[in-house]
Amino acid sequence: NAGVTQTPKFQVLKTGQSMTLQCAQDMNHEYMSWYRQDPGMGLRLIHYSVGAGITDQGEVPNGYNVSRSTTEDFPLRLLSAAPSQTSVYFCASSYGLHQETQYFGPGTRLLVL
Amino acid sequence: GENVEQHPSTLSVQEGDSAVIKCTYSDSASNYFPWYKQELGKGPQLIIDIRSNVGEKKDQRIAVTLNKTAKHFSLHITETQPEDSAVYFCAASRGNAGNMLTFGGGTRLMVKP
Repeated sequence: NAGVTQTPKFQVLKTGQSMTLQCAQDMNHEYMSWYRQDPGMGLRLIHYSVGAGITDQGEVPNGYNVSRSTTEDFPLRLLSAAPSQTSVYFCASSYGLHQETQYFGPGTRLLVL
Repeated sequence: GENVEQHPSTLSVQEGDSAVIKCTYSDSASNYFPWYKQELGKGPQLIIDIRSNVGEKKDQRIAVTLNKTAKHFSLHITETQPEDSAVYFCAASRGNAGNMLTFGGGTRLMVKP
């Protein structure tokens, strides 16, 4: 198993540009989520999904969209990038839906100029 | 919502010494407390967790203690080794919050050989 994979590893955007961060898992996990990590602030939940076709907002959802058309994939879309979205983004997944161990991907470092 | 504070933000110890990282939480309904280790350039990885019906849990050189009355929990690493050097995050989750975690700000642990 590859586990949780994320692409790209690093991306530079200009303000106003759009992009999609990819996340995939091959463990047949029902739960997937996106976090952003900023210095001194730990990880903050952006959006999550409890199964294909079901998504919901986390703590900091503004400026981000998600969809979950398959169990394996959970892309994160930035519609109009802003410098405040400069961060490291992590995708995570877990088998169950209740206080289960979450497996994190290697992260995508995003710089918005 | 839940608020998790973590101290210290950096911790330097000599190889073989013990390291203690402390977290406090605000929501008395939180009942699941995982600890994650993040090595440079990688995603966080679960190292140990504890639920509110248990006061202490141990796994080899790592232990976690929980004081529900005071709303704080701690990570203890004994006989530290250079490979323990990493950033450690505590987190908390309520029973009705599914897999949603609130993270502390992180502690950078440096173990000097």
